[in-house]
Amino acid sequence: EVQLLESGGGLVQPGGSLRLSCAASGFTFSPYAMSWVRQAPGKGLEWVSGISYSGGPTYYADSVKARFTISRDNSKNTLYLQMNSLRAEDTAVYYCVKPLGHCSGGVCPMTGLDNWGQGTLVTVSS
Amino acid sequence: SYELTQPPSVSVSPGQTARITCSGDILPKQYAYWYQQKPGQAPVLVIYKDSERPSGIPERFSGSSSGTTVTLSITGVQAEDEADYYCQSADSSGTSLVFGGGTKLTVL
Repeated sequence: EVQLLESGGGLVQPGGSLRLSCAASGFTFSPYAMSWVRQAPGKGLEWVSGISYSGGPTYYADSVKARFTISRDNSKNTLYLQMNSLRAEDTAVYYCVKPLGHCSGGVCPMTGLDNWGQGTLVTVSS
Repeated sequence: SYELTQPPSVSVSPGQTARITCSGDILPKQYAYWYQQKPGQAPVLVIYKDSERPSGIPERFSGSSSGTTVTLSITGVQAEDEADYYCQSADSSGTSLVFGGGTKLTVL
């Protein structure tokens, strides 16, 4: 059974930093691109960032570009999201997500998110 | 950046067919995906690549595509189908994902 377990959320002041982790199990982690998706309280889903199977290239939503950094450690089956210069509007539940298809022949799909973690809440407030 | 537009809400009586639309200029070029989200839960993929249904998803869920609009249909709606539904696609390179604003399905 695929499991994605996020951790690292919490309360942080504006301008602060947090590092989220996502421990993956139940599947072979390394061939898959991975993403983070967030959901502000009472709002819709927003894709935040994605990363190819090998750790590069990486992709970001305009709203987090230059502030957030996605990375992965395939030896630990773990995905990360380093969040700096946090703002109130970054307050959300952050989900670690796995796509349907794995990377193959140079094609590394990120879409079709068939497995989601339970999410970790990040609250940015003074 | 691309946008996907969904109606905020759809209401339907039990046993009827619910149709939720999603419109966007990228949709003729990229597949659409649909997710169901119930309160307090993570989203669940119900349709992929416009019209494919993942294993474990009931047959009453189906998807279709026509031009710049994709449609999620739920035939014979049940009370348990009441949820928020989100469409999702990607930019032309497939490296930036976009979600629609979501549609709240109410089963009357």
